[in-house]
Amino acid sequence: GAGVSQSPSNKVTEKGKDVELRCDPISGHTALYWYRQSLGQGLEFLIYFQGNSAPDKSGLPSDRFSAERTGGSVSTLTIQRTQQEDSAVYLCASSLEGQFPPLHFGNGTRLTVT
Amino acid sequence: DAKTTQPNSMESNEEEPVHLPCNHSTISGTDYIHWYRQLPSQGPEYVIHGLTSNVNNRMASLAIAEDRKSSTLILHRATLRDAAVYYCILRGNTGKLIFGQGTTLQVKP
Repeated sequence: GAGVSQSPSNKVTEKGKDVELRCDPISGHTALYWYRQSLGQGLEFLIYFQGNSAPDKSGLPSDRFSAERTGGSVSTLTIQRTQQEDSAVYLCASSLEGQFPPLHFGNGTRLTVT
Repeated sequence: DAKTTQPNSMESNEEEPVHLPCNHSTISGTDYIHWYRQLPSQGPEYVIHGLTSNVNNRMASLAIAEDRKSSTLILHRATLRDAAVYYCILRGNTGKLIFGQGTTLQVKP
């Protein structure tokens, strides 16, 4: 079946512009996570959704970052007034409900801020 | 979330077993031990997880020390496609995964 889908796969933007990154989770998965991975680094947690609500936003690095999820499905991560340090691969993952089910990751959106 | 310690890199020969160690001395009683791997240019992929007992699946085996302060991921016969970064993660009640730097596994033909 279809896995987690992220779009676009690559995005180049100018410093100061806003960007929206999209994540389509696996159908039926109620939990959704956003991570980012800078070049050569490990994954950094950003935000977690259970359904449409976000009980854990602790990883969002600044108020320029926001995320929403509608209909318990698609999620968008928005970065306002992008900076060069925002350049990274942004990864989305989804999972079923329950006790620690595996996370299924998409292949990410590579964001480059010039 | 408690922290894990892994070697930065390891090498293996193709078709030989690989033992990837992980130390987690501050693990709490409710933390599950999860392993994910990340192949180049891909998102991480779930490998295996366990709490106290050793676990086996089609991808690997997980051996957990009796005191739970360490664990070992075992790939029984490494292939070139197993070359990846392997992450050992403790997953507690928050549900989220906190990734460390992982172990980069190189597999030589």
